[in-house]
Amino acid sequence: ETGVTQSPTHLIKTRGQQVTLRCSSQSGHNTVSWYQQALGQGPQFIFQYYREEENGRGNFPPRFSGLQFPNYSSELNVNALELDDSALYLCASSLPLGTSENEQFFGPGTRLTVL
Amino acid sequence: SQQGEEDPQALSIQEGENATMNCSYKTSINNLQWYRQNSGRGLVHLILIRSNEREKHSGRLRVTLDTSKKSSSLLITASRAADTASYFCATERNSWGKLQFGAGTQVVVTP
Repeated sequence: ETGVTQSPTHLIKTRGQQVTLRCSSQSGHNTVSWYQQALGQGPQFIFQYYREEENGRGNFPPRFSGLQFPNYSSELNVNALELDDSALYLCASSLPLGTSENEQFFGPGTRLTVL
Repeated sequence: SQQGEEDPQALSIQEGENATMNCSYKTSINNLQWYRQNSGRGLVHLILIRSNEREKHSGRLRVTLDTSKKSSSLLITASRAADTASYFCATERNSWGKLQFGAGTQVVVTP
């Protein structure tokens, strides 16, 4: 167990809907990253939050957005869902940026199915 | 896009045997990390090797890094059925924390 929790565990939505996924980071970690993992693929970096500000973004459209709160928990929001958004969404927390050992601690993921 | 590629895509061995998987990547890196994933669940960090290191050990795990060839290998010695999982390499280019993962190697260890 990493101490990172995510909710919900599973979610089914239809095309065009909006979804919010939640993540609670490990104690003491102020950096949260979100990844999308399609079936049979490795995780793809969506974006990272550091001290409540977006700190880098992968190749994902603006309909993927996020928030980080003062307690360092985070949300991932996806608008106008598409079938290809079906995936396992993983969040990972880590120590403050610049720490030489930048190990990331992953949550169990949220499985999103878009019908 | 995937930064790394793992080889082989799948590996089936018997308990007690060693399992070796390789990872190649494309750009210069700050460090390379190996993660394990059971049945589509969360990833578990196994080991991190920095770009100025050549070899690292952790329990039954041995990782090598060859930056001139842009490649790494993970060796699991004396494998157990509980080692059955997918293994991913991930590279980090700077201390920014963005990891680029390969597609993974699926390892099955039979009793």
